[in-house]
Amino acid sequence: KQEVTQIPAALSVPEGENLVLNCSFTDSAIYNLQWFRQDPGKGLTSLLLIQSSQREQTSGRLNASLDKSSGRSTLYIAASQPGDSATYLCAVPRGANNLFFGTGTRLTVIP
Amino acid sequence: NAGVTQTPKFRVLKTGQSMTLLCAQDMNHEYMYWYRQDPGMGLRLIHYSVGEGTTAKGEVPDGYNVSRLKKQNFLLGLESAAPSQTSVYFCASSHRDNYGYTFGSGTRLTVV
Repeated sequence: KQEVTQIPAALSVPEGENLVLNCSFTDSAIYNLQWFRQDPGKGLTSLLLIQSSQREQTSGRLNASLDKSSGRSTLYIAASQPGDSATYLCAVPRGANNLFFGTGTRLTVIP
Repeated sequence: NAGVTQTPKFRVLKTGQSMTLLCAQDMNHEYMYWYRQDPGMGLRLIHYSVGEGTTAKGEVPDGYNVSRLKKQNFLLGLESAAPSQTSVYFCASSHRDNYGYTFGSGTRLTVV
């Protein structure tokens, strides 16, 4: 049974710091992994999608890596800004037409 | 702006009442989904559709029905609301399964 864990549940950092968010999954037979951000009272915004054949994906200050063998993905945020404050969720496919979401890491970037 | 639009944004229902949540997307996506988000539980799939006229059950379908009469619309119905259905409901769409999801901003439903 797939389990997706994100630790820590909450994280506060000063502005400008580089940070890493972690996502662990128990079933490595996945064909991709996605990272989303969710702002309070809003829906989810897709950030990055990593295919199983890739080891990382980059978009601006965000870099996500995937290590299927260890069941881990990390989301690296460079030079954090207050606007990065949000909850970050990772998700893996759960059969066809479904995603299994972690419960997220709530990030606060302090000005 | 292109995207997924959900109506209403907030609703309070009494136990036993019925309602329909509307989801509309203008990206010509084939796939549409309804999720619910509860504290400590993450998002869970209620129903989904892989194209106009098709629907299928997700993880937690009991107490809900859906319809996809038009490609751009996906309706979620609660026939007899229960307090356990108090949640935030998100609609999403994608061009293909499990790729490139776009989410709506959610409907916060309270059943009293």
